Amino acid sequence: SQTIHQWPATLVQPVGSPLSLECTVEGTSNPNLYWYRQAAGRGLQLLFYSVGIGQISSEVPQNLSASRPQDRQFILSSKKLLLSDSGFYLCAWSVASVREQYFGPGTRLTVT
Amino acid sequence: GEDVEQSLFLSVREGDSSVINCTYTDSSSTYLYWYKQEPGAGLQLLTYIFSNMDMKQDQRLTVLLNKKDKHLSLRIADTQTGDSAIYFCAETSLSSNTGKLIFGQGTTLQVKP
Repeated sequence: SQTIHQWPATLVQPVGSPLSLECTVEGTSNPNLYWYRQAAGRGLQLLFYSVGIGQISSEVPQNLSASRPQDRQFILSSKKLLLSDSGFYLCAWSVASVREQYFGPGTRLTVT
Repeated sequence: GEDVEQSLFLSVREGDSSVINCTYTDSSSTYLYWYKQEPGAGLQLLTYIFSNMDMKQDQRLTVLLNKKDKHLSLRIADTQTGDSAIYFCAETSLSSNTGKLIFGQGTTLQVKP
């Protein structure tokens, strides 16, 4: 069966520090991968998606970036965090031909 | 652009039925989803419906789709305290080759004992 992991689970970082969040998927090949942000426990905003290694599409302009160095690994990064980057970051995967998306447990990021 | 709207809060008594409503604007929506989020956790896919269906039932959950009015609802029968969570409606279109989902803001369901 497929599983999706995210780490760390929680993170407190000062403004201006770098960020690296990792997401890995097991049990499937060539998944579509997604990064979402959820602010203040409300709606989800799609940040990035990837349909293959090295293929990243950005949905919103921001100081975040994403990379996909391996088929089942998706990384969200920032060189310098802003206060507004605080939120709950969720990674999700789907099979390209199937429309269900499955979410990871999330990373709670607090920028102080 | 695409938009999905939900009411923000619903309170019911344990044992009653809950009905959570959602409206969407994308006329090319083909798949519509309901996700559940418990506090501090990720989203759990509850059920989904294809746009050529009017209804889908899965145990205590019933999804109704009115494609003409672009209205989706989730009915939870015999609501339990464990059903307390935020419920998200989402949609996607076959025209989106990335499977991108558009989410509503979520409805917080409070179940009173």
